[in-house]
Parts: sequence; structure tokens; C-alpha cells
Amino acid sequence: AQTVTQSQPEMSVQEAETVTLSCTYDTSESDYYLFWYKQPPSRQMILVIRQEAYKQQNATENRFSVNFQKAAKSFSLKISDSQLGDAAMYFCAYRSRTLNAGNNRKLIWGLGTSLAVNP
Amino acid sequence: DGGITQSPKYLFRKEGQNVTLSCEQNLNHDAMYWYRQDPGQGLRLIYYSQIVNDFQKGDIAEGYSVSREKKESFPLTVTSAQKNPTAFYLCASSTDPLAKNIQYFGAGTRLSVL
Repeated sequence: AQTVTQSQPEMSVQEAETVTLSCTYDTSESDYYLFWYKQPPSRQMILVIRQEAYKQQNATENRFSVNFQKAAKSFSLKISDSQLGDAAMYFCAYRSRTLNAGNNRKLIWGLGTSLAVNP
Repeated sequence: DGGITQSPKYLFRKEGQNVTLSCEQNLNHDAMYWYRQDPGQGLRLIYYSQIVNDFQKGDIAEGYSVSREKKESFPLTVTSAQKNPTAFYLCASSTDPLAKNIQYFGAGTRLSVL
């Protein structure tokens, strides 16, 4: 079974600085999706960025980028020029892309990293 | 505006009572999901539905029930058999899983036991 591990329960960063959140996963599959979701104090879950495993190029969305290391099964999120509004819980998630199991449509979630942004 | 609406925002359950959480989406998505979120834990899947009139148990389905009679609606009932229902409940939807497979979430319902 696949697992997702976020080893940093809490992180902090100074406003305008850069921070990297770690995520590792375990799978025997070769084709899958990886996601970073953000959950601010409002509790609404918002997609930050998505990576397809067959793509070698790292995904980027404005100030958010990932470092996807497929062989190492690592998927870290880098937030550049951190803003106060970036303060939130960040969740890493995995989903299989292969149609070989009845539960292949579920996301497998890490436990989250709480990010504080200091002014 | 397209999106997912969960109601109510806060819900209280008395001992032995069934309560129903509403989830409606106008995104024309086929798949819908219910998650439970407890402090210090990631999201856990309760039920999911890939299409109308079909749904599957997730990892923690005991004590919960769902229906999917309409594409836009996926209500979750927390039954009296669920002995520890206090949690934050999130509903999500997505398009064809073979497509972008991004799940979009509602704002959640916080359920507490009186």
C-alpha cells in the first residue's frame, strides 16, 4: 500500500524569505499524481500544485514550485517570497494513475505541516 | 459561481441521534468524496462515489451512510453507530479520474456531540 510521509509537523519562515516543505512517499507504481494542498485557518482545502510522475519537469505555480525526485520518492514544496497569507497547514497527497484497483480513485494523504509566517 | 457547498457549517448531535451533512456541487463533476479530519491526523476517506447511484466505502465507513441520487448531491449521514463523531468533515468532487483528477473541496462542516 502507498504511504505519504511529511516529517516536519511545524515550520516557520520570515516574510519574504523562502521555505521548503518535505514530503516522501512509498509506492511500487510508476505512474501517479502528487499534490500539495493548502488548508488556511478557514479550513477550506485549496490545491497549490500538482505533479504528474511521468513528467520530468518540476511543476511551478507563481511563487510555488516543487522538487520532484522520482527515484528518491521525494516531492518537496518550495515557497518563495513568503507572504503572511501563506500561513496554513500544507498537505502532500498521492494518487495512483493506473486502473488496477477498486480504491484507485482515492487520495492518500500525509499528516500535514503547519507553516507559520513571521512578519 | 461554480463550487461545492457544504451545510451546515456547524452541527451538534445528541446521543443516539442520526444527523445528515449536506454536500452540493455545481461543477458538473462525476466523482464526489467525503473525508473526516481529526487533529493531528491527515484526511481519512469515508465514502466516495464515481457516478450517480453508485458509491464505495472508504477507509472508515463504519457508522456512516451516503446516497447519490443526483449528480450534484452527495449527503453524508452520521448514524448513532458512530461512537466518536466529533470531527471536521470535508466534501470534495473531481472530474473524470482519467483527466486532471484534481479534487475540489467545500468549506467543511464541524460536527460536535452534545
